[in-house]
Amino acid sequence: DSGVTQTPKHLITATGQRVTLRCSPRSGDLSVYWYQQSLDQGLQFLIQYYNGEERAKGNILERFSAQQFPDLHSELNLSSLELGDSALYFCASSADEFANTGELFFGEGSRLTVL
Amino acid sequence: AQKVTQAQTEISVVEKEDVTLDCVYETRDTTYYLFWYKQPPSGELVFLIRRNSFDEQNEISGRYSWNFQKSTSSFNFTITASQVVDSAVYFCALKRDTGRRALTFGSGTRLQVQP
Repeated sequence: DSGVTQTPKHLITATGQRVTLRCSPRSGDLSVYWYQQSLDQGLQFLIQYYNGEERAKGNILERFSAQQFPDLHSELNLSSLELGDSALYFCASSADEFANTGELFFGEGSRLTVL
Repeated sequence: AQKVTQAQTEISVVEKEDVTLDCVYETRDTTYYLFWYKQPPSGELVFLIRRNSFDEQNEISGRYSWNFQKSTSSFNFTITASQVVDSAVYFCALKRDTGRRALTFGSGTRLQVQP
């Protein structure tokens, strides 16, 4: 158990819909990363937050957005869903901003299926 | 740009065989970090090891060993006397020490250990 909690574990929805994925980092970790794992793209970095502020953006679509709240949990919002958005979405956390002194701890992921 | 290549898509071995998973990376940075993660069938990403670019010492942890060679930009992972529980997808990843520091993952190697 990494200490990173993601909900829901599984989600099935239809094209055009909007979903929210939630992540609670390990206790004390200030940095949260979101990754997408799909069959054709592999593991792709989406976005990072540190103590409530966006720190880095990766291959995140404009239809996707995220935020980190004062209690440090984070939400990833996916809208106007397409079939290609079906993937496993991981959240990871680290104590420091750049995870230079320690590892990134990953949650178990949220599996999104868009029908 | 950063890139991680895991040329072996899938490897199948019989229990007790030794197996080496290859990882080749590209970066222009002089300081960087290399990682290996394991993704068992249950889906979570499990941290195995982190090395920084200044430490080329090989590391051994039980049946696992890692060979970091800066001259060939490789960070290979060997499992000695493989076991069925080693069956998983293994990812090699690279992290910068400057700029955007999210992990760049390779495409993964699926290891199947047959009894």
